[in-house]
Amino acid sequence: GESVGLHLPTLSVQEGDNSIINCAYSNSASDYFIWYKQESGKGPQFIIDIRSNMDKRQGQRVTVLLNKTVKHLSLQIAATQPGDSAVYFCAELYNFNKFYFGSGTKLNVKP
Amino acid sequence: DAGITQSPRYKITETGRQVTLMCHQTWSHSYMFWYRQDLGHGLRLIYYSAAADITDKGEVPDGYVVSRSKTENFPLTLESATRSQTSVYFCASRDRDLYEQYFGPGTRLTVT
Repeated sequence: GESVGLHLPTLSVQEGDNSIINCAYSNSASDYFIWYKQESGKGPQFIIDIRSNMDKRQGQRVTVLLNKTVKHLSLQIAATQPGDSAVYFCAELYNFNKFYFGSGTKLNVKP
Repeated sequence: DAGITQSPRYKITETGRQVTLMCHQTWSHSYMFWYRQDLGHGLRLIYYSAAADITDKGEVPDGYVVSRSKTENFPLTLESATRSQTSVYFCASRDRDLYEQYFGPGTRLTVT
């Protein structure tokens, strides 16, 4: 089946710097993607989504970029804060009710 | 409390025993989902439900049973637990018209 993966399992950044988390997907027909944040001991929390008819979408301090040509997603976090430390997943919708989730990238924010 | 809750939060059981994980949501969301999360894997869908009395298999349904007699509840039963079912289980729900899923806090299940 199709799968979603991440380039970097762990990312360490300095507080105040920008963070970029990457994700590759394999189903070129996928038309919807979500980024989730998961803190230790908690369930995933929605951050931002994007549809395939868009290249970029911005939220509060976060931006998702979609490059359909190379099937690549990225999540950019501006002015990274200690509270941003978590595992981040991308998810690809491959069926009306079914997502493939990546295994996650751990973001460590150093004070 | 409003939102989506799971119980128990932690469970240790023995191989061969039946165990049921509970999930309750207060939003009246149409869709509910069960996932398992294992090290080195992303979340994997076990079962989902589009409405009361409607359920369907996900990616890894073997060894699990679900029911949904009421919109707000979606229990997951392991009829005869195996060690390979040791995992963290997440329940999620979403509104009919939106793809965004809201996750519960998870149940950590250990099968000895």
